[in-house]
Amino acid sequence: DAGVIQSPRHEVTEMGQEVTLRCKPISGHDYLFWYRQTMMRGLELLIYFNNNVPIDDSGMPEDRFSAKMPNASFSTLKIQPSEPRDSAVYFCASSLQTGRNTIYFGEGSWLTVV
Amino acid sequence: AQSVAQPEDQVNVAEGNPLTVKCTYSVSGNPYLFWYVQYPNRGLQFLLKYITGDNLVKGSYGFEAEFNKSQTSFHLKKPSALVSDSALYFCAVRDPGDYKLSFGAGTTVTVRA
Repeated sequence: DAGVIQSPRHEVTEMGQEVTLRCKPISGHDYLFWYRQTMMRGLELLIYFNNNVPIDDSGMPEDRFSAKMPNASFSTLKIQPSEPRDSAVYFCASSLQTGRNTIYFGEGSWLTVV
Repeated sequence: AQSVAQPEDQVNVAEGNPLTVKCTYSVSGNPYLFWYVQYPNRGLQFLLKYITGDNLVKGSYGFEAEFNKSQTSFHLKKPSALVSDSALYFCAVRDPGDYKLSFGAGTTVTVRA
């Protein structure tokens, strides 16, 4: 399997611009997670989906952030408008029905907002 | 609420020496425990997990971890470290009643030649 695929790998954008991060989970996985990694806060769960339905978005920092999963093979995380404090690595991850199953991570999207 | 602590920010060892990365957890029920490794500019790679059964779990790249319920610990070990093991290591826990992983702050391992 190709693993979790994320794009873009690197993005540099100006403050105020819209940023869209994309994710293709592992085929057959029914859970999808978005995590953010920063030096200050470590790894934080932003939101997760089960069967394309958002289950818990309590980690989304504010209304500027939104996530969608229109089908089982695609998800987006959007930041509008972006701010310098949004600079981080954003990871998408997926798993089969969770619990015992492993969550597999993508390579991440490195976002810099200037 | 579930949580993980990795008490050491950094671990430095010489190549060929044993490597231990410490992790303690807090969870309401019986935990599911995981170790991941992150190489520079890469994503998190799964190393091993404890779900149930034997307290000693073997994983990728020669790593193993020992689950100790009384000490609520899940330390990662490797008998003989390699320079290529230098990376950032994360311990994670999941309460069986929950769906999300909670990660520790991470431990940077440096193996010197």
